[in-house]
Amino acid sequence: DGGITQSPKYLFRKEGQNVTLSCEQNLNHDAMYWYRQDPGQGLRLIYYSQIVNDFQKGDIAEGYSVSREKKESFPLTVTSAQKNPTAFYLCASSSDSNQPQHFGDGTRLSIL
Amino acid sequence: EDQVTQSPEALRLQEGESSSLNCSYTVSGLRGLFWYRQDPGKGPEFLFTLYSAGEEKEKERLKATLTKKESFLHITAPKPEDSATYLCAVQASGTYKYIFGTGTRLKVLA
Repeated sequence: DGGITQSPKYLFRKEGQNVTLSCEQNLNHDAMYWYRQDPGQGLRLIYYSQIVNDFQKGDIAEGYSVSREKKESFPLTVTSAQKNPTAFYLCASSSDSNQPQHFGDGTRLSIL
Repeated sequence: EDQVTQSPEALRLQEGESSSLNCSYTVSGLRGLFWYRQDPGKGPEFLFTLYSAGEEKEKERLKATLTKKESFLHITAPKPEDSATYLCAVQASGTYKYIFGTGTRLKVLA
């Protein structure tokens, strides 16, 4: 079955620690996205990649970093500079920017 | 500024009681409007894309419609398994970004 796999499902971060969230897709999609979901707010775009080795900042990129070395993979690193990292993180992909985005099942990040 | 507002925030229906969810938007040229369903602890599941005023899409008990200022998601004779949060998003022309609303939490009681 084609889809988007996010791991881990739950992640805990200590103060001053960087953590990396995994996102893998086997849909052969060119575009991939990272969103953050907080209670009472709409999804907010963190980073976006249209093609391998290229990515752009979204609305709330500060404290986050990404890489896109392979078409199927788009990992997100939450750095120690992100002061309020507790949230539900969602990865999405689409065949191009004109097609609907499809989402993985998310990673919930909490602070110890 | 591009904006999406969903109403109501929460809705409780009896099984079989039809209703509608609203998504009002302001955007500088609409490329597409998207409806998603999200279950607790899961990612959003794509339902529909609407591109132009007057367009309608249907899937089982759900029907989405679009005007120049808003979209409705009509739920006909809902069942408890339709309980979820329904999200609306718009994409403006010439951009890759989706602007999401905060969703409507639907609870269907047996």
